[in-house]
Amino acid sequence: KQEVTQIPAALSVPEGENLVLNCSFTDSAIYNLQWFRQDPGKGLTSLLLIQSSQREQTSGRLNASLDKSSGRSTLYIAASQPGDSATYLCAVGSGTSYGKLTFGQGTILTVHP
Amino acid sequence: NAGVTQTPKFQVLKTGQSMTLQCAQDMNHEYMSWYRQDPGMGLRLIHYSVGAGITDQGEVPNGYNVSRSTTEDFPLRLLSAAPSQTSVYFCASSYSRRDPSTDTQYFGPGTRLTVL
Repeated sequence: KQEVTQIPAALSVPEGENLVLNCSFTDSAIYNLQWFRQDPGKGLTSLLLIQSSQREQTSGRLNASLDKSSGRSTLYIAASQPGDSATYLCAVGSGTSYGKLTFGQGTILTVHP
Repeated sequence: NAGVTQTPKFQVLKTGQSMTLQCAQDMNHEYMSWYRQDPGMGLRLIHYSVGAGITDQGEVPNGYNVSRSTTEDFPLRLLSAAPSQTSVYFCASSYSRRDPSTDTQYFGPGTRLTVL
């Protein structure tokens, strides 16, 4: 059974800092990994998707890396802003059927001015 | 495109009542799924569908039924509500007619359900 763990559970940083969120998974037989953002009381917004054959993806100030063999992914946020405050969720696509994701419990990020 | 829509946004039920959570998407996506989100548990898959007429169970299917009669709609039915089903429910969809590993999942805004 795939299990996904995110560290740290919560992170508070001053504005402008670069930061790294970590995600680990137990079964390396994945077809993709996605990072999502969730604002309080809202749904999930996809940030980045990395296919199993890829090593990283970038979008603006966000960079996600994937090391499938070690079961790890990191989300790097450059020059953090208060608007980045949210919960960040890592989700792994694996198994015999597509469209199913296994989620970590998330990292709650607070960026203070 | 409206994306993935869910109704209602909030619902309070009494133990034993039944209800249907609605989910619709207008992106012609093949894959649709239902998750529940609970504090400390993250999001867990309830049921999913890979196309009209095809459904399967996820991690926590007990107490829930689904059907997929059209590509657009994927309702979730609570047969006899229990307090343990108090949660936030999310519907998601993705497109699968090419390489599914490239498909981003799109989530609806969620339904907050309280069972008393």
